[in-house]
Amino acid sequence: DAKTTQPNSMESNEEEPVHLPCNHSTISGTDYIHWYRQLPSQGPEYVIHGLTSNVNNRMASLAIAEDRKSSTLILHRATLRDAAVYYCIAGGTSYGKLTFGQGTILTVHP
Amino acid sequence: NAGVTQTPKFQVLKTGQSMTLQCAQDMNHEYMSWYRQDPGMGLRLIHYSVGAGITDQGEVPNGYNVSRSTTEDFPLRLLSAAPSQTSVYFCASSYSAGTYEQYFGPGTRLTVT
Repeated sequence: DAKTTQPNSMESNEEEPVHLPCNHSTISGTDYIHWYRQLPSQGPEYVIHGLTSNVNNRMASLAIAEDRKSSTLILHRATLRDAAVYYCIAGGTSYGKLTFGQGTILTVHP
Repeated sequence: NAGVTQTPKFQVLKTGQSMTLQCAQDMNHEYMSWYRQDPGMGLRLIHYSVGAGITDQGEVPNGYNVSRSTTEDFPLRLLSAAPSQTSVYFCASSYSAGTYEQYFGPGTRLTVT
């Protein structure tokens, strides 16, 4: 899996958009970009994944740079429930293995 | 669906004791795995299974055993507990090894004294 770099922490206000960046400059052409989040005292939760083009689902959007060396997870309207640690993973999930880094702690203010 | 369930939620062991952490899923998923998460760190893969009867080692397998006799269950055995195994343990499953969406259980918090 490619090494990923994320900010240690970010803050947002409720109902505002949040852009969580991730650098993965050593990503290979077949590596997918995955995002998981972990709410306090819970197991990780799948958010979204993509390969080359931008992706949207009910939880978030994933914007992938044209050179694929970076990506951004976008939460369109943050809620208090979105406060969590967000993990960016760049890899092929060979046999489902996920390599988690330290992630970004997102704090959402009311 | 209950999803992925883990028991117990909390456990305290003395050094040298053995125990089994239980994991079950009711989604008919082929792929299951165990991770551990130490304070302030990301998750590390212990063991995984791509189907009943097939298991393999992950990043940190020492001190742990697994078996997969059914699709639903994937227990993790600690052979002789050590303080270094104090951690939160998460079980995960997905439809197959190549599926990108994995479902995680709520975790077991283990303390070894």
